[in-house]
Amino acid sequence: DVVMTQTPPSLSVAIGQSVSISCKSSQSLVYSDGKTYLHWLLQSSGRSPKRLIYQVSNLDSGVPDRFSGTGSQKDFTLKISRVEAKDLGVYYCAQTTHFPLTFGSGTKLEIK
Amino acid sequence: EIQLQESGPGLVKPSQSLSLTCSVTGYTITSGYDWSWIRKFPGNKMEWMGYISYSGSTNYNPSLKSRISITRDTSKNQFFLQLNSVTTEDTATYYCATDTYYFDYWGQGVMVTVSS
Repeated sequence: DVVMTQTPPSLSVAIGQSVSISCKSSQSLVYSDGKTYLHWLLQSSGRSPKRLIYQVSNLDSGVPDRFSGTGSQKDFTLKISRVEAKDLGVYYCAQTTHFPLTFGSGTKLEIK
Repeated sequence: EIQLQESGPGLVKPSQSLSLTCSVTGYTITSGYDWSWIRKFPGNKMEWMGYISYSGSTNYNPSLKSRISITRDTSKNQFFLQLNSVTTEDTATYYCATDTYYFDYWGQGVMVTVSS
């Protein structure tokens, strides 16, 4: 299985600050079609997970451009600029390049 | 818009089978996509369990392969999860989701506790 190592496990940040979450995979996530199937999800309290970014860096509709995703091969980063209160929750990276599909262990974002 | 909704018992006894239903609206499950079950354990760990494709083929997580079955009822536009011989380790919130390769759509989840 592809192991997704996500750090840090938690973040406490003041409104307006920026944060980064790292996600490293045990194998390259480049598929045979040349695309990289690494996505970022947010699970807010009491809600189901919601995708924010797909294929490393593509923002979903309605996701503010304060969110950005970068990376390649085995090393990926989610950055949130100017954190707002509504950003709190648990962030996951997830890979759908290899079966079984696997998730990072989650990063809980709290607001100071 | 595609909407998914899970249903099923919230409490299952150890050694019994867990059975859940995912009802899909806004899309016909035989038209496309692979339809997955995913679970989130207490704490934050998430596990992809398996999918049934639009054509009816299945793909399971090897960690569950001997215990899991995903089937469907195309007349009702539903797909199902059966997990056999459950233990307390199977206590989790269970989600159905699609598209399997992009995690576009999720149900609201159903919490299942395994306890005697």
